[in-house]
Amino acid sequence: NAGVTQTPKFQVLKTGQSMTLQCAQDMNHEYMSWYRQDPGMGLRLIHYSVGAGITDQGEVPNGYNVSRSTTEDFPLRLLSAAPSQTSVYFCASSSDSQAEKNIQYFGAGTRLSVL
Amino acid sequence: KQEVTQIPAALSVPEGENLVLNCSFTDSAIYNLQWFRQDPGKGLTSLLLIQSSQREQTSGRLNASLDKSSGRSTLYIAASQPGDSATYLCAVGHLLGYSTLTFGKGTMLLVSP
Repeated sequence: NAGVTQTPKFQVLKTGQSMTLQCAQDMNHEYMSWYRQDPGMGLRLIHYSVGAGITDQGEVPNGYNVSRSTTEDFPLRLLSAAPSQTSVYFCASSSDSQAEKNIQYFGAGTRLSVL
Repeated sequence: KQEVTQIPAALSVPEGENLVLNCSFTDSAIYNLQWFRQDPGKGLTSLLLIQSSQREQTSGRLNASLDKSSGRSTLYIAASQPGDSATYLCAVGHLLGYSTLTFGKGTMLLVSP
């Protein structure tokens, strides 16, 4: 059982470049989220999805796009990278089923540097 | 807007001590509260989840309590070990937030042999 898989683990971009951070889960969870973690700031919600085709903004959505075409995948797109987007990005998934009780499962993270 | 505060920001104890980590939140209308562990350079591992209707949860040497009315949760670690050294994060689930979380900044714990 792989859980939540994020790729790549590390990435260096130049300002203005675009890229997609991948997130996949194999637990058939309805809910998926993206967070960024910055020193002294804690984790902050970027975007989230309650199911395929449904996404919404979190606390810090500017500069990021998401889509959810399947239950398994929830990619995060940076259209034009900026140094302020240097951070560690975490993807999470959960289910509201009686058994799962909304426990959040996190991926190992993607460490992104924008020069 | 929900705000989550964790005290202390850092804690250093000798092996074998019992310790308490504190978490407070400003809006009592929560869905649940989850404690995570994060090792340096790693992802988050869920330790305990307390539903809003529960008062506490236990797992091995860990016990988490929740007082929703006062906006407080504590994580109690019994007989601490060097392997417990990590950052502990408290996160509050939103009542209407579709499984999204608001995190505290964490408590960095160091247990020395």
